[in-house]
Amino acid sequence: QKEVEQNSGPLSVPEGAIASLNCTYSDRGSQSFFWYRQYSGKSPELIMSIYSNGDKEDGRFTAQLNKASQYVSLLIRDSQPSDSATYLCAVNGGGNKLTFGTGTQLKVEL
Amino acid sequence: DAGVIQSPRHEVTEMGQEVTLRCKPISGHNSLFWYRQTMMRGLELLIYFNNNVPIDDSGMPEDRFSAKMPNASFSTLKIQPSEPRDSAVYFCASCPLMAPGEKLFFGSGTQLSVL
Repeated sequence: QKEVEQNSGPLSVPEGAIASLNCTYSDRGSQSFFWYRQYSGKSPELIMSIYSNGDKEDGRFTAQLNKASQYVSLLIRDSQPSDSATYLCAVNGGGNKLTFGTGTQLKVEL
Repeated sequence: DAGVIQSPRHEVTEMGQEVTLRCKPISGHNSLFWYRQTMMRGLELLIYFNNNVPIDDSGMPEDRFSAKMPNASFSTLKIQPSEPRDSAVYFCASCPLMAPGEKLFFGSGTQLSVL
């Protein structure tokens, strides 16, 4: 079983719609959770972090965490073509070690 | 701030050759990470250093891989001998000693092709 699992996609949504990206993790002791965005041919960049159960909003992005279900999600409201990228879920299981999922490719269509 | 600097950007080599990838972290960042990214396996942590000391190298695939950090501003990842299955993008990342709220800063990566 992979430590961090994501659906590889592609997930296609029309412009202006809500994109919902999901991630599950296996280490129940994990304490911090991150979403990175990676454009094709570029390096990952952090867009959201979340540490406690519930929702955290930042502009058009909302991260949701449910530790009991070991589930993290990212919602992108009013999706734009510029949001088309691969979204990587990352989990810190302790110390400095971030474990990444394989990513979900998002395509926002005009 | 120039960010994390990696070199070379692209490397093409033949099987059996030695490959050395280089990384300069952001000044003041105490932690440095080497990741490898492939389509099949995603982004895998190979090794990380805190204050120039290797902390966890459990992700290094085998003895052909070695990494060093002789000082706070330089790290190398060496593959000897290289094999076609080593072909991937290798990222270096740095951050202050991680605490909640800190984030990884990635370099632009080295695209390695082993023929």
